[in-house]
Amino acid sequence: AQSVTQLDSHVSVSEGTPVLLRCNYSSSYSPSLFWYVQHPNKGLQLLLKYTSAATLVKGINGFEAEFKKSETSFHLTKPSAHMSDAAEYFCVVIPMDSSYKLIFGSGTRLLVRP
Amino acid sequence: DAEITQSPRHKITETGRQVTLACHQTWNHNNMFWYRQDLGHGLRLIHYSYGVHDTNKGEVSDGYSVSRSNTEDLPLTLESAASSQTSVYFCASSESYTRRGELFFGEGSRLTVL
Repeated sequence: AQSVTQLDSHVSVSEGTPVLLRCNYSSSYSPSLFWYVQHPNKGLQLLLKYTSAATLVKGINGFEAEFKKSETSFHLTKPSAHMSDAAEYFCVVIPMDSSYKLIFGSGTRLLVRP
Repeated sequence: DAEITQSPRHKITETGRQVTLACHQTWNHNNMFWYRQDLGHGLRLIHYSYGVHDTNKGEVSDGYSVSRSNTEDLPLTLESAASSQTSVYFCASSESYTRRGELFFGEGSRLTVL
């Protein structure tokens, strides 16, 4: 069965320093992977997606993620954190079957210190 | 701009009462979803619809129902509210099956059942 694991429930960085949010997936095939962001009291917003094209995917607000099949990882990075990046981030995988049921990670809360 | 709106944004009700949460989208998307978000459980799918008059159960559908009489709306009804249904509810939509990982979310409805 497919699954997705976000390795850190909380990540704290200083403003201006790099961000790394880790996501590992379990799948016997090459999946479609997504990162969503949720700001406080808001709905989720799509940040970026990987659908078997380039392995390095660029998203909104300077975020990017690299698909590494050998490591079954899809980590989210940003070179320099901004205060407005403080939010919760969800890694999502589309399961192998043909359903619409997406598999959401448990989320990583990013805190940005001034 | 197209959008997806939920109402009410906040509601307090009593155990046993019927509650309806509204969801309206102007994206003209065929696919609509209801999720609930709880600490420790992430996002869980309640019901979804592929189009008018189509509804399907998600992983936590007990005690909830939906109906789809037009493209724009997918109201979620709690037939007899229970304290376990205290949660934040999110409506979402997607354009098509091939883009099913690209969800557009509403801002959520926070429901408290006393």
